[in-house]
Amino acid sequence: GAVVSQHPSRVICKSGTSVKIECRSLDFQATTMFWYRQFPKQSLMLMATSNEGSKATYEQGVEKDKFLINHASLTLSTLTVTSAHPEDSSFYICSASRGQSYEQYFGPGTRLTVT
Amino acid sequence: AQRVTQPEKLLSVFKGAPVELKCNYSYSGSPELFWYVQYSRQRLQLLLRHISRESIKGFTADLNKGETSFHLKKPFAQEEDSAMYYCALEGNNQGGKLIFGQGTELSVKP
Repeated sequence: GAVVSQHPSRVICKSGTSVKIECRSLDFQATTMFWYRQFPKQSLMLMATSNEGSKATYEQGVEKDKFLINHASLTLSTLTVTSAHPEDSSFYICSASRGQSYEQYFGPGTRLTVT
Repeated sequence: AQRVTQPEKLLSVFKGAPVELKCNYSYSGSPELFWYVQYSRQRLQLLLRHISRESIKGFTADLNKGETSFHLKKPFAQEEDSAMYYCALEGNNQGGKLIFGQGTELSVKP
């Protein structure tokens, strides 16, 4: 099957620092990757869509300078939360697909806590 | 506006009882609808999609365009069905973007 990993699974950082989250497709080439944010007991909110080799497309209300997304290869996308604040604390989930209209495979998520 | 609504946060049933998890959507075109499931401490995974019209783990879902609904049903719930269930919509020419409902926690009691 298609496996997507995320690293780290948990991270705690201090306010004002930046943190990078990696999303990897382990056994398939992911033309498209998606980044979601999930608050406790709530739904997944799409933050951005990234296509390999292109700039990410951000959803309305998501600050692109704060949440930097890079999709430099067909197996890796990264999300960098810059100048993190406590309100950025959340569960961040990525998904990967072989392309538009293909099934999305989800990563296990990364728990970010900003102190 | 595109929207997916799951009216029930929690649905609790006894083993062997029928289950229906409700999902309504708002979309002006012809969307593709999905049900995703998240078991405890596991990642989100696709349960079924309306275009495949198949039954997975005994679950079925029929797209009703008139009522803009995609309810998930199972005639006899099992304890292992306990999980979070998310209904999701993919619009036309949206690059594969999914819009998720709020999720329904299904608890199947012995």
